[in-house]
Amino acid sequence: GDSVTQMQGQVTLSEDDFLFINCTYSTTWYPTLFWYVQYPGEGPQLLLKVTTANNKGISRGFEATYDKRTTSFHLQKASVQESDSAVYYCVLGPGTQVVGQLTFGSGTRLQVYA
Amino acid sequence: EAAVTQSPRNKVAVTGGKVTLSCNQTNNHNNMYWYRQDTGHGLRLIHYSYGAGSTEKGDIPDGYKASRPSQENFSLILELATPSQTSVYFCASGGRDNNYAEQFFGPGTRLTVL
Repeated sequence: GDSVTQMQGQVTLSEDDFLFINCTYSTTWYPTLFWYVQYPGEGPQLLLKVTTANNKGISRGFEATYDKRTTSFHLQKASVQESDSAVYYCVLGPGTQVVGQLTFGSGTRLQVYA
Repeated sequence: EAAVTQSPRNKVAVTGGKVTLSCNQTNNHNNMYWYRQDTGHGLRLIHYSYGAGSTEKGDIPDGYKASRPSQENFSLILELATPSQTSVYFCASGGRDNNYAEQFFGPGTRLTVL
């Protein structure tokens, strides 16, 4: 079945640092890849999506691309702010078995200090 | 105005007791989903529904039942709660927009089974 591996469990940065989070995925389908963000006390919300390999998704200063050859996708931001502190999930979907099924990675907790 | 709401937000139950978690959405989405969130696992799909009267098993359905009495409401039922079901539960809805790719999550219910 579909799977997503997110190796970085926690990332700690200072304001204005560069952010890079990487994931790998496995699927037999043509993937659409997402990044969801979860702030404390809230449910996850869509940050951005990438539907085509080597194209960028851009939202709120974040950029994402995926590489079909290496089955990897990543999220980056040039200059993080304290307000970016949250958990970031790489997500694969929608699945072929279940309409709209999303497969979540285990999440990366980003802590940004002023 | 919140489009996906969950109740209760916090629940403490005893082992062997029955627990019902409720979800309401005003997005007029056909699909609804129940996930649980545990450290190291991200979000995992328990049950989902394609519309009123429909319920389907997700990846981890054992010990859970679901009910979709209307377009707006989707419940998750634990007939005999166990401590291993202690977790945070999220409900989500998704529609035809973007081929069901984006899901809208509620704020979550924290369940503790003693």
